[in-house]
Order: sequence, then C-alpha cells, then structure tokens
Amino acid sequence: QVQLVQSGAEVKKPGASVKVSCKLSGYTLTKLSMHWVRQAPGEGLEWMGGTDPEDGGKIYAQKFQGRVTMTEDISTDTAYMELSSLRSEDTAVYYCTAGGWACNISCYTSWLDPWGQGTLVTVSS
Amino acid sequence: QSALTQPASVSGSPGQSITISCTGSRSDVGAYNSVSWYQQHPGKAPKLMIYDVSNRPSGVSNRFSGSKSGNSASLTISGLLAEDEADYYCSSYTRSSILVFGGGTKLTVL
Repeated sequence: QVQLVQSGAEVKKPGASVKVSCKLSGYTLTKLSMHWVRQAPGEGLEWMGGTDPEDGGKIYAQKFQGRVTMTEDISTDTAYMELSSLRSEDTAVYYCTAGGWACNISCYTSWLDPWGQGTLVTVSS
Repeated sequence: QSALTQPASVSGSPGQSITISCTGSRSDVGAYNSVSWYQQHPGKAPKLMIYDVSNRPSGVSNRFSGSKSGNSASLTISGLLAEDEADYYCSSYTRSSILVFGGGTKLTVL
C-alpha cells in the first residue's frame, strides 16, 4: 500500500523560504511522478507543479515559477517542495500526491492518488 | 489557465441522486479523457473518487459515477448517504501540460 507522510507544520516570516518533505512508503519514487497541491484556508485546491511522466522533468504552474523548486531524493524515497519569498498569501496546507499516468501519443498526468496528510505553512510577521 | 467551473453548492436528501457539473474548455476537459474527481471531508486530505472521466478506483462505492460531454464533465452520486456530505473537486489535464482544478462544490445531505 502506497503511503505518503509529510513533515510537520511550519511558521515562517514574510520573505523566508520553506521546505516541505514527503516520505514515500510501500513503493519506489523512481516509478512515480510526484505533484504538489496547496489549499489556502477556506479555499479550493490549487495545483502547484509536478513531474512530467513523459520526460521526468518538472512542470510548475506559472503562478509559482521562479519561487518553487520540487526535488526528489531517490535514496530515501523522499520528495521535497521548497517555496521562497514567502508572503502572507502563501499561508495554506500543502499536499504531496502521486500522479497517475495516461498515455496516447505521449504520457501525461491524468489523476492524483494517493495524497499525503498535508502540511500547514503559516506565513506571519 | 482558468480554473474549471463548478457550482458552489448542491444538496440532496438521503437516498436521492445528485449531479455535480464541471465546465472547462477545448483546451482541457474537451481535449483529454483525463477528468478526475476528489472528495474532501473537513480537515482531511482529498480522496480520488473517479479518474479518466468514469473509472472508479478500487474501494470506491459504485454509487459514484462520472461522465463527460464536450467541454463539460459530471459526477453523479446515487443513493445519497450522510457520509457523502463533503467538498468535491474536479480536475483535468490541459494542453498547457498542467493540471487544473475546479473551484469545488459543497455537497449538503439534508
């Protein structure tokens, strides 16, 4: 059974960076494409970015380009999401999740499952 | 990339059926059979309920079904139970190689 366990809650000051970890068990990271989704308080889900199953590269939502970096340590089956230049609007629960693939002419992420338990990041002065 | 459009809320009585719509464009819902649906209870992580428009993951009740027509997709829940009360989100892959979510629909079981 694939499980994703995330690191604990963080409190950061505006302008700082945060790095959230996501430990995979029951499978190997080399066979998954990991994604990150966030949810601000009382708001909906927002896809931040993830791994393109076609070439293994990272694709980021335009909103986060230049501020977000997603990496993986395959030796420990752990994925990381680092967000820099934090502002109050970045206060949210951040989820890691594994992408399911569909392939026609090329392969792409079609669904997200399973999900980590979420990590609350609070940005406050 | 704009979010997909969902109704803010729907409601139904126990035993009834409800349908939640998800409207996109030719660049997302209309372009790929990669619509998925997620259920989220308060304070919990989202749970995949439907993938690739109409497929149910193992363990998901057959009371949940999905469909698509043109640029719109739908999630239908039949035989409503109190435990179905939750937020529901649709998602689609897009021609921009990104994923996009709907704004979410709050389901109330009366």
